[in-house]
Amino acid sequence: EVQLVESGGGLVQPGGSLRLSCAASGFTLSNYAINWVRQVPGKGLEWVSAISSSGAKYFADSVEGRLIISRDNFKNTVYLQMNSLRVEDTAMYYCAKDVVASGSEGFDHWGQGTLVTVSA
Amino acid sequence: DIQMTQSPSTLSASVGDRVTITCRASQSISTWLVWYQQKPGKAPKYLIHKASNLESGVPSRFSGSGSGTEFTLTISSLQPDDFATYYCQQHKSYPITFGQGTRLEIK
Repeated sequence: EVQLVESGGGLVQPGGSLRLSCAASGFTLSNYAINWVRQVPGKGLEWVSAISSSGAKYFADSVEGRLIISRDNFKNTVYLQMNSLRVEDTAMYYCAKDVVASGSEGFDHWGQGTLVTVSA
Repeated sequence: DIQMTQSPSTLSASVGDRVTITCRASQSISTWLVWYQQKPGKAPKYLIHKASNLESGVPSRFSGSGSGTEFTLTISSLQPDDFATYYCQQHKSYPITFGQGTRLEIK
């Protein structure tokens, strides 16, 4: 069974950092692109970042330069390092498995999410 | 960036109704469109890919159509489990973008 489990969320002050993790099981992580999608409670979905199976990285304009995405295929885990956090980064962060290795054909499996709260 | 616009934002309907949700792209995306269903407190669920291909296990009352810039999601006969929020998403190019969502509520 495919599973994605996020962790690492929490309360952080503006300007601070957090590292989110997405642990995968039930499939070979190295064969698929993995994405991060966030959602402010009660609002819509916003794609944040993706890393392809070959390591190509993509970011939304709103987070470009502040986030680093990486993957450890041996640990079957994808990481999202979030720096210079802003109040507007407050959201539930989901990791989501793409259907394909590179590019995207949609996200067929999602984790349960980890909540990031940026507040003084 | 490709902008995705859904309409309506909220749709009130009854069990058994046929409903249609529209999604428009700001430029042609061919059929690089996905539909998701999301229920409160849950992650989105992958429903339809490449505009019209039903994901395995999704009931046949769901269907998708369209290409280019205009797409529709139709539920032929609403069931109680279908009341949720629906999102379209383009994956023709990065950044990947979602529509703002359509909340389907019970009339």
